[in-house]
Amino acid sequence: DAGVTQSPTHLIKTRGQQVTLRCSPKSGHDTVSWYQQALGQGPQFIFQYYEEEERQRGNFPDRFSGHQFPNYSSELNVNALLLGDSALYLCASSYGQGMVVGELFFGEGSRLTVL
Amino acid sequence: DQQVKQNSPSLSVQEGRISILNCDYTNSMFDYFLWYKKYPAEGPTFLISISSIKDKNEDGRFTVFLNKSAKHLSLHIVPSQPGDSAVYFCAASRRQFYFGTGTSLTVIP
Repeated sequence: DAGVTQSPTHLIKTRGQQVTLRCSPKSGHDTVSWYQQALGQGPQFIFQYYEEEERQRGNFPDRFSGHQFPNYSSELNVNALLLGDSALYLCASSYGQGMVVGELFFGEGSRLTVL
Repeated sequence: DQQVKQNSPSLSVQEGRISILNCDYTNSMFDYFLWYKKYPAEGPTFLISISSIKDKNEDGRFTVFLNKSAKHLSLHIVPSQPGDSAVYFCAASRRQFYFGTGTSLTVIP
């Protein structure tokens, strides 16, 4: 039973570029959430996708966008990268839209460095 | 706006003793609380949770206590083992999760 998988694991970009991160949820899960974890901080909620729509959003600018595909996998896109976007981006999957019905299952994350 | 706070960045405990990790929150509307453990180069993994209608939940060596009047959550690990050494995040939720900044636990053999 595959858990949550994320790609790439590490990447380096320069300011102003765009990046796409990918996530496949745990088998049986239909909801994907994205989190940003800056160094020394806890994960910060970016947004949640269910049924291919963004259902909830945290306090992140429109430069952060996402998508969910019919197979429940998801992408996180960040445009016009800033130095402050350097962080570990975590994908978490769960079952059930919007409401907390159980714990989140996290992937290992994608480490983004913006130079 | 940090709604969940872990004021102790680190904690060291001798093997076999009790580890107590603390967490405070500000939003009385939170209805579910969780603890996650994170090893280096891995994503956080779920450890234990508690609903706001309860004040204690136990799972083996791990017990979570909830004091709603004080808006305080704690995780007790008894006995502590070297493999428990990790960063522990508390999280609170009401439709979305809010995480604390983490406490790095070191269990000394």
